[in-house]
Amino acid sequence: SQTIHQWPATLVQPVGSPLSLECTVEGTSNPNLYWYRQAAGRGLQLLFYSVGIGQISSEVPQNLSASRPQDRQFILSSKKLLLSDSGFYLCAWSVSGGLNEQYFGPGTRLTVT
Amino acid sequence: KQEVTQIPAALSVPEGENLVLNCSFTDSAIYNLQWFRQDPGKGLTSLLLIQSSQREQTSGRLNASLDKSSGRSTLYIAASQPGDSATYLCAVMDSSYKLIFGSGTRLLVRP
Repeated sequence: SQTIHQWPATLVQPVGSPLSLECTVEGTSNPNLYWYRQAAGRGLQLLFYSVGIGQISSEVPQNLSASRPQDRQFILSSKKLLLSDSGFYLCAWSVSGGLNEQYFGPGTRLTVT
Repeated sequence: KQEVTQIPAALSVPEGENLVLNCSFTDSAIYNLQWFRQDPGKGLTSLLLIQSSQREQTSGRLNASLDKSSGRSTLYIAASQPGDSATYLCAVMDSSYKLIFGSGTRLLVRP
């Protein structure tokens, strides 16, 4: 069966520090991968999605970036965090070419101080 | 631009009651619609997916309907239990395969 992992689970970082969040999927090949952010009191916002290694599409211009160095690994990064980057970051995957049903990871709670 | 609205924002019911959560969307050109459950501080759990050509899907005590022409979906929960307490999110997938989420309905089932 397929599983999706995210780490770390929680993170507290000062403004201006770098960020690296990791997401990995097991039990499937060539998945579509997604990064979402859920800010307090707001809905889920799609940040990035990827249909293959090295293929990243950005939905919202910001100081975040994403990379997909391996088929089942998706990384969210920032060189300098802002206070507004605080939120709950969720990674998701779907079967390429399937029903596009998305399955979500456990999330990373990021607090920028 | 697709917008998804969920009503009510919060709902409190006694255990055993049947209930309906509502979701509406502005653009009927959707690929599918998904209902999710989110427990506090946790990720999303997929409950039901309805393809655009379908009218409803059922899983256990859950039944989701889709009326694409009117831009509406409902999630029906039968015989509610305290363990059903969570936030329920509706999301539509647009023609570019992106999920657009509603802001959710926070459900509390009282023992």
